[in-house]
Amino acid sequence: EVQLVESGGGLIQPGGSLRLSCAASGFTVSNNYMNWVRQAPGKGLEWVSIIFGDGSTFYADSVKGRFTISRDNSKNMLYLQMNSLRAEDTAVYYCARGPLRVFFQQWGQGTLVTVSS
Amino acid sequence: QTVVTQEPSFSVSPGGTVTLTCGLSSGSVSTNYYPSWYQQTPGQAPRTLIYSTYTRSSGVPDRFSGSILGNKAALTITGAQADDESDYYCVLYMGSGILVIGGGTKLTVL
Repeated sequence: EVQLVESGGGLIQPGGSLRLSCAASGFTVSNNYMNWVRQAPGKGLEWVSIIFGDGSTFYADSVKGRFTISRDNSKNMLYLQMNSLRAEDTAVYYCARGPLRVFFQQWGQGTLVTVSS
Repeated sequence: QTVVTQEPSFSVSPGGTVTLTCGLSSGSVSTNYYPSWYQQTPGQAPRTLIYSTYTRSSGVPDRFSGSILGNKAALTITGAQADDESDYYCVLYMGSGILVIGGGTKLTVL
């Protein structure tokens, strides 16, 4: 059974850094397209980043230069390093698997990041 | 900047049929954008309904169908049920690894 479990969320001050993790089971992260999608409180979904099987990475303009997606193949883990955090980054962050690069097949339950002083 | 447009809200009667659409602020949606659709209820993670325009995800009932209608992608729900009351999001693939998610449609069944 495919499972995605996010962790690492919490309260962080503006300008701070946080690393989110996503533990995957039932499939191999490095053989899939792995995404981060976020949802601000009471708002819609926003795609954040993707990492391809070949290691290529892409970002939404809103996070480019501040966030870095990565993975650890030996641990079957996905990560999102978030730097220079802003209040508008406050959201539930979901990791999502795509067997293809064009859609999300499975989703984790999300982890809440709150950026506030 | 490309904006994916969806109706903010829609309502349908129980047993009725509703079609939600997904367009572009500039241009037409085609199968080349690989439209996909997701259902989300409050406090829950999204659920994948449709991908690559027409293909239902595993376990999704055939009451849900995807298509291209005119210059937009469409999600049609037939025989609407109370538990279809949710937010629905479409996602378009813009190429070069970039995905864009629409603002979502809040569907009410009443």
